[in-house]
Amino acid sequence: KAGVTQTPRYLIKTRGQQVTLSCSPISGHRSVSWYQQTPGQGLQFLFEYFSETQRNKGNFPGRFSGRQFSNSRSEMNVSTLELGDSALYLCASSLKGLAGGGTGELFFGEGSRLTVL
Amino acid sequence: GESVGLHLPTLSVQEGDNSIINCAYSNSASDYFIWYKQESGKGPQFIIDIRSNMDKRQGQRVTVLLNKTVKHLSLQIAATQPGDSAVYFCAENYGSARQLTFGSGTQLTVLP
Repeated sequence: KAGVTQTPRYLIKTRGQQVTLSCSPISGHRSVSWYQQTPGQGLQFLFEYFSETQRNKGNFPGRFSGRQFSNSRSEMNVSTLELGDSALYLCASSLKGLAGGGTGELFFGEGSRLTVL
Repeated sequence: GESVGLHLPTLSVQEGDNSIINCAYSNSASDYFIWYKQESGKGPQFIIDIRSNMDKRQGQRVTVLLNKTVKHLSLQIAATQPGDSAVYFCAENYGSARQLTFGSGTQLTVLP
């Protein structure tokens, strides 16, 4: 069974630009979560989507947004990029997610590494 | 979990020895804990979980211990192998948050 696929794997943007990252979950998984990973802050929860609805949100500014499509694929968008947005963005999928009564066993992709210059 | 800046706590063990990785959590309302392993260039991988109504859980070569009195979690890896070299994260969920809060991680290096 194919794992979680994230695209693009690497990208470089400049301050003020916007970026869209894509995530294809494991087939049958309806919960998709996004995390930001940086050396200074570690892994931080961005948001979770389930059945096209945002079910949970972390403590990030409104420049960070996401959506989920009917096939469970998800995208996240960061607008007006800042230098501090440079990070590895990880997508994780699960059958139901914690909020849906599932376990915390998340299946992570390899991430999209964003560099903001 | 602990707050660490740019440098992760490190643990070096000889191949074949047992490893113990520790994690302190801060929220007494946390009711569910998980350990993840992240190898270089990959996303985190689930290892084992434990609910707050338990104090020990065993998996294949791994054991998680939970001490709620001192808010401490540990991961024991038996007969550590080179493939165990990775960063290990503990994660917790507290109450109705239903989202995982990750600790800062520990770098485990297995020496030949």
